[in-house]
Amino acid sequence: SQKIEQNSEALNIQEGKTATLTCNYTNYSPAYLQWYRQDPGRGPVFLLLIRENEKEKRKERLKVTFDTTLKQSLFHITASQPADSATYLCALGGMTTDSWGKFQFGAGTQVVVTP
Amino acid sequence: EAGVAQSPRYKIIEKRQSVAFWCNPISGHATLYWYQQILGQGPKLLIQFQNNGVVDDSQLPKDRFSAERLKGVDSTLKIQPAKLEDSAVYLCASSFWGNPQETQYFGPGTRLLVL
Repeated sequence: SQKIEQNSEALNIQEGKTATLTCNYTNYSPAYLQWYRQDPGRGPVFLLLIRENEKEKRKERLKVTFDTTLKQSLFHITASQPADSATYLCALGGMTTDSWGKFQFGAGTQVVVTP
Repeated sequence: EAGVAQSPRYKIIEKRQSVAFWCNPISGHATLYWYQQILGQGPKLLIQFQNNGVVDDSQLPKDRFSAERLKGVDSTLKIQPAKLEDSAVYLCASSFWGNPQETQYFGPGTRLLVL
């Protein structure tokens, strides 16, 4: 069965450092991978999308890589700030008829940035 | 642009009772999703609508859950009868056409507690 794994333990990091999160998957060939941020009591908010033929994507202090050979995506927050504290979810989506528009989410990794 | 609206925000019921949740997506969005998010897990897709038709309801427990989107705009998700394991946050999301490259916009969710 398809499985998506994200670090289950919270990532505690000092302000200014780079936070790196992983998203590993098995039995899946996603065409797209998205990263979302979720704050307590709120719905997820879209951050970045990366396609299977893209190695890296950047947006301000965020960077995402996508390695289809390793079946892994890395999500980096550079120069982290306390406001970056949240849970980060990866979501994988395919382009087959059966999975059009349907994303499967990982469980998320909580990031805590301390001053 | 108004976001995805959901109501109620919180609901407490006893097992075997029924409950309904309402969602109004972003104007012009053809695709509407209902997700269930259990504490500590990622969102799990329950049902996906394209306008007023069902695209995917493979993970919807149809013996107790039902959903409709009669006019292709707002939607209602119902649970009848509720079980203890239905305690979760129910998230509604919408996207323009359901293309996996599109951003999904989430509402704030309805937090359900079944006693």
